[in-house]
Amino acid sequence: SQQGEEDPQALSIQEGENATMNCSYKTSINNLQWYRQNSGRGLVHLILIRSNEREKHSGRLRVTLDTSKKSSSLLITASRAADTASYFCATDGGAGDMRFGAGTRLTVKP
Amino acid sequence: ETGVTQSPTHLIKTRGQQVTLRCSSQSGHNTVSWYQQALGQGPQFIFQYYREEENGRGNFPPRFSGLQFPNYSSELNVNALELDDSALYLCASGQGTQETQYFGPGTRLLVL
Repeated sequence: SQQGEEDPQALSIQEGENATMNCSYKTSINNLQWYRQNSGRGLVHLILIRSNEREKHSGRLRVTLDTSKKSSSLLITASRAADTASYFCATDGGAGDMRFGAGTRLTVKP
Repeated sequence: ETGVTQSPTHLIKTRGQQVTLRCSSQSGHNTVSWYQQALGQGPQFIFQYYREEENGRGNFPPRFSGLQFPNYSSELNVNALELDDSALYLCASGQGTQETQYFGPGTRLLVL
């Protein structure tokens, strides 16, 4: 079963704008990860944030985690057309697995 | 590039047939997981192998089975294919209990 839910399901912005995607989950976690997927291909790992962390940065990416609200957000600043992809959050399922949401489909228009 | 490869890239089968998908893990990784991703959905965990032993399984029937070999390559076998098995199958490798897994490009299976 899927653990996380991303919001919005789809997002369309202009190049240079910021994109914010949200993820909510149901059970306690050890960590939460964000992945990107281009056109139904393999997933690319973006960032991992642990349950005792509140914010993490990687280049143009900023991830926040609020364990009290069971939610996370991914901010992509100064977006580029190459950022067009689907973005998934994943939480550890406790059985060696990751549980993914249905994803946010981001379109960045040039 | 993650160093994880999968074969074949695309496959067409008919209902009732059997299929074997292959995955070659990134060098140094001893954990491999398989996921099924239906169109428009997130990946669903099938199972994980660690040092050739099954280390966890998702909500998939026994006709989904797997193997991990001493060189840490892996196979996913699906028997008695059903139309709903049509999906992108992803494998991901990792190092022991480290959380981050690295995904291959996937095998797209179509069952007619």
